[in-house]
Amino acid sequence: KQEVTQIPAALSVPEGENLVLNCSFTDSAIYNLQWFRQDPGKGLTSLLLIQSSQREQTSGRLNASLDKSSGRSTLYIAASQPGDSATYLCAVPNTNAGKSTFGDGTTLTVKP
Amino acid sequence: DAGITQSPRHKVTETGTPVTLRCHQTENHRYMYWYRQDPGHGLRLIHYSYGVKDTDKGEVSDGYSVSRSKTEDFLLTLESATSSQTSVYFCAISPTATNEKLFFGSGTQLSVL
Repeated sequence: KQEVTQIPAALSVPEGENLVLNCSFTDSAIYNLQWFRQDPGKGLTSLLLIQSSQREQTSGRLNASLDKSSGRSTLYIAASQPGDSATYLCAVPNTNAGKSTFGDGTTLTVKP
Repeated sequence: DAGITQSPRHKVTETGTPVTLRCHQTENHRYMYWYRQDPGHGLRLIHYSYGVKDTDKGEVSDGYSVSRSKTEDFLLTLESATSSQTSVYFCAISPTATNEKLFFGSGTQLSVL
């Protein structure tokens, strides 16, 4: 059974700092890996999707990397802003039905 | 943003009553999913659908049933609500199973008293 772990559970940084969020998974036979953002009381918003054949995806200040062989993905946020404060989750679909396993998320606080 | 609407947004009900949550999409996506989100358990898949009238169980399907009679609507029914089903329920959609992004609705906060 796939297990997805995100460490740390919470992270607090000053504004402007570059930071890395981590996601690890136990079964490397994945189709892709997706990073989401969740604001309090809201649904999940997709940030980046990395296909299993890719190593990186970039969107603005966000860069996600994928290393299937080691079962790891990182989400790099450059020049963090208070508006980046949210919970970030990663997820991997394991079957051709797209059933995804989610990590518990990292709650990020960016202090002004 | 993907067109996904969940209704109701909030509901309070009593133990033993049936409850139906609705997910409506305007994207014509084939795949639809129901997840529940609980502190300490994260997001867990309840049921999913891969087409009209085609549904299957997820990891926490006991006490829940689903129906999909039209592409745009996916209904989740709690047959006899229990306090352990108090949770936030999210619907998600995707055009394909594995190659494209998963889009989520805003969620339904359900309290079973």
